[in-house]
Amino acid sequence: DQQVKQNSPSLSVQEGRISILNCDYTNSMFDYFLWYKKYPAEGPTFLISISSIKDKNEDGRFTVFLNKSAKHLSLHIVPSQPGDSAVYFCAASGIGSSNTGKLIFGQGTTLQVKP
Amino acid sequence: DGGITQSPKYLFRKEGQNVTLSCEQNLNHDAMYWYRQDPGQGLRLIYYSQIVNDFQKGDIAEGYSVSREKKESFPLTVTSAQKNPTAFYLCASSISPGQEQFFGPGTRLTVL
Repeated sequence: DQQVKQNSPSLSVQEGRISILNCDYTNSMFDYFLWYKKYPAEGPTFLISISSIKDKNEDGRFTVFLNKSAKHLSLHIVPSQPGDSAVYFCAASGIGSSNTGKLIFGQGTTLQVKP
Repeated sequence: DGGITQSPKYLFRKEGQNVTLSCEQNLNHDAMYWYRQDPGQGLRLIYYSQIVNDFQKGDIAEGYSVSREKKESFPLTVTSAQKNPTAFYLCASSISPGQEQFFGPGTRLTVL
């Protein structure tokens, strides 16, 4: 049972344009969401997070939007740069799991930014 | 220079052999985690530890074992009971459970 889903395995955008990566979740107990970026053969690096009490969080070129009613979050990258090309994972944790710190990860979306 | 180190980066073992993957952190984090990543899949939690001398099974603990004798160290043993051990293994830590997790560079294990 995949509680966190990233339905697009890959995304290709032109440099300078907006990249929008999507993530859906099924567990309404999730209250904290994170995005990680991963290059091949390296560990993921934390990008940005959002608590369920917010619907938007912004950090430089990265903005995460949360739509709790739709159980959907998205990561916007503006403007996209070739160095953004990587695999992006969304992750979630919830009230039941927040004491353990367990994160549930999506399958990842590979972003390619073309020069 | 704080961070999480995993060694070695690449590891080869023969089928039927146990192998231990190292994970060390000098971030003074209480919580540590082990994940595995397979092609086309997300990260799946193997074991986690919230505090020294304590650890819990994750979603795919069968065939694995861990220890947490020191705060900075959380080694993972892949036993011969693990049916499909070839994967990319990632260790992570967080200052406390529920906070952002910081990942090491990973170890790619190949069982021949």
